[in-house]
Amino acid sequence: AQSVSQHNHHVILSEAASLELGCNYSYGGTVNLFWYVQYPGQHLQLLLKYFSGDPLVKGIKGFEAEFIKSKFSFNLRKPSVQWSDTAEYFCAVTANNNAGNMLTFGGGTRLMVKP
Amino acid sequence: DGGITQSPKYLFRKEGQNVTLSCEQNLNHDAMYWYRQDPGQGLRLIYYSQIVNDFQKGDIAEGYSVSREKKESFPLTVTSAQKNPTAFYLCASSPQGYTEAFFGQGTRLTVV
Repeated sequence: AQSVSQHNHHVILSEAASLELGCNYSYGGTVNLFWYVQYPGQHLQLLLKYFSGDPLVKGIKGFEAEFIKSKFSFNLRKPSVQWSDTAEYFCAVTANNNAGNMLTFGGGTRLMVKP
Repeated sequence: DGGITQSPKYLFRKEGQNVTLSCEQNLNHDAMYWYRQDPGQGLRLIYYSQIVNDFQKGDIAEGYSVSREKKESFPLTVTSAQKNPTAFYLCASSPQGYTEAFFGQGTRLTVV
């Protein structure tokens, strides 16, 4: 079965600092990768996704992520965070298996950006 | 407005009672999912359904049941067999051939 690990559970940054959130997955086959964000009191929203092609993907609000197949990683980055980026971030993976596509999430990272 | 509607937003139940959480979507998506969100554990898959009248267990199906009689509806029943039912429950849907999942606003269930 696939699994996803997010090693940073809580991150506190000052505005304008750079952000990198780690995500590693375990699955030997073909995967689709996602980052979702949950702002306080709001729906989970898709930030970006990787299916194939250029391993550096750009998402909304200045976020990007890089798929490194050899490291089974899909880290999320943003060069300069804003107070409005305070949220919980989830990495997720789908993999084709006998039971169809299941979307598996990591444990989440709570980001707090200090003004 | 297209989207996923979960109701109610907050739900309180006494221990030992079954409770059903509603999830409706008007996105014409084939697949629907139920997740449970607990602090520090992310989202864990309870059940999912890729087609009407068919569903599969996720990672934590024990103590839960679902039905998928209509494409737009995927209710989740939390039974008295679920040992730790107090949690935030999220429903999601996705189109066939999976591109991304769309989420409802969630139901916070508190069992007292």
